Amino acid sequence: QKEVEQNSGPLSVPEGAIASLNCTYSDRGSQSFFWYRQYSGKSPELIMFIYSNGDKEDGRFTAQLNKASQYVSLLIRDSQPSDSATYLCAGPPVLGYNKLIFGAGTRLAVHP
Amino acid sequence: NAGVTQTPKFQVLKTGQSMTLQCAQDMNHNSMYWYRQDPGMGLRLIYYSASEGTTDKGEVPNGYNVSRLNKREFSLRLESAAPSQTSVYFCASRFGGTNTEAFFGQGTRLTVV
Repeated sequence: QKEVEQNSGPLSVPEGAIASLNCTYSDRGSQSFFWYRQYSGKSPELIMFIYSNGDKEDGRFTAQLNKASQYVSLLIRDSQPSDSATYLCAGPPVLGYNKLIFGAGTRLAVHP
Repeated sequence: NAGVTQTPKFQVLKTGQSMTLQCAQDMNHNSMYWYRQDPGMGLRLIYYSASEGTTDKGEVPNGYNVSRLNKREFSLRLESAAPSQTSVYFCASRFGGTNTEAFFGQGTRLTVV
C-alpha cells in the first residue's frame, strides 16, 4: 500500500463551483501534510500546509486534516479556469520523517 | 535568487549509456531529494539525503545511485540507462524535519531509446 493515496481524477467542475480534492494516508503517526499544485510542464509549487486537526484557510483554499480517519482534503472555492492543474498531496512518514512522499496527484479541470 | 537548479533540462540517451543529473540549491537547506514523475504516477521518491553526508533509498531506487557532494549539491547517476527510466526527474530541497516546505527545480526530461 502506498503511504499516500489520491484519486487521480480527472475532476471536472464548472467555474465558480467548489472543487474538493482528497487524500488518504497509511501512517497513523504522520503529523503534517502539504498540498502542491503543478501546472502542465512545470514544477510543483506549495499552496497549503497543515499539521493540526481541523481546517486551515488561505484565501479561496481550505485544507482539512482528520487524523482519526487518516485523510486530508483540499477545498477550492469559487474555482477558476486558472485553477486547472494537478494537485499533489504529500506527507512525511513518522519513521524516516525527512522523507517526503507524494500521492499520485488529482488532475482538476475547471470549465467556463 | 536561483533556488534549486537542475542540469540538464533535456537529455536523450541510448540504452546502456550512463549519465549524471546535477542539482544544486542556494537556500542552505539540509535535505535534498530526487523524484521521478511518470504520467498518472505522481512524484515517486528515488533517493533522498536528510543532511550532508547521508543518503537513503526512497520508493524506487533500483537502477540509480546518488552522491551528496556537499551541502549544496546532490547528484543522481544512471549507470546503465533503460527505456523504463524515461521520465521527468525533479530535484527538491528543504530545511528538513516534518514541517518545512520543499522547493523544486525545473525538472529534467530524460528519454532513453
